[in-house]
Amino acid sequence: EAGVVQSPRYKIIEKKQPVAFWCNPISGHNTLYWYLQNLGQGPELLIRYENEEAVDDSQLPKDRFSAERLKGVDSTLKIQPAELGDSAVYLCASSLGLRLNAGELFFGEGSRLTVL
Amino acid sequence: KNEVEQSPQNLTAQEGEFITINCSYSVGISALHWLQQHPGGGIVSLFMLSSGKKKHGRLIATINIQEKHSSLHITASHPRDSAVYICAALNYNTDKLIFGTGTRLQVFP
Repeated sequence: EAGVVQSPRYKIIEKKQPVAFWCNPISGHNTLYWYLQNLGQGPELLIRYENEEAVDDSQLPKDRFSAERLKGVDSTLKIQPAELGDSAVYLCASSLGLRLNAGELFFGEGSRLTVL
Repeated sequence: KNEVEQSPQNLTAQEGEFITINCSYSVGISALHWLQQHPGGGIVSLFMLSSGKKKHGRLIATINIQEKHSSLHITASHPRDSAVYICAALNYNTDKLIFGTGTRLQVFP
C-alpha cells in the first residue's frame, strides 16, 4: 500500500509568488496534518483535519496561508504571497485517528520550499 | 521551558553500544510518540505508547506516566541508526501533538 504522497518534493520560487502543495494521505485515514519544519527543529503544526473539517488551524497564518481538504481525502496547502521566511519543509502526515489504537502517524517525504 | 524536553541533544556512539534517549514532558498526555528522521528524509513512526514498554527489533520504548518520562533504547547500535530521534506528546486536553527538539544520533563503525 502506498504511503502518504506529497508533491512537489522541491519548489523554488521568488518572494511574493504563490505556491501550492498537495498531499494524498493513506487510504482510510481520517486525520490529516500539515506541519512546517525548519532546519534543525521539530515539526510545527499548521493545521489538523478530521475528515474534511479543520479542527485545529490556530497556528495557520491565515493572512497568507490557506488549506483545504475537499471530500475528506486529498489536501492542498497554499501560500500566497510567499515570503522569504516561508522557506522550510512542509510535511503532511495522516493517521486513522488520534487515540492510541488509531493514532500512529505516517508522514510524507515533505515538500521543500525555497523562497528567493 | 518547553513542554517536551529531550536529552541529550546530540549523541555519538560506537557501533554495538547501547543507546538511551530521554524525553520528559510537563503536560497530561494520552499518548507519546517516538519518531525517526534520517538526514534529508521523511519522518518514520517508531512507537506510540501510553504505558509500560514496547519493543520492535533492537528498539525499546518505555514510559512512566507518574514521572512523565519516556526513554528510547537502541541495543547493539549500528551506523544505519544514525538519525534524529524525536518524541512527541499528545496533550490529553487539547489533542495537540507537542514535539521535542530531537536528539541527533551518530553511530560510528
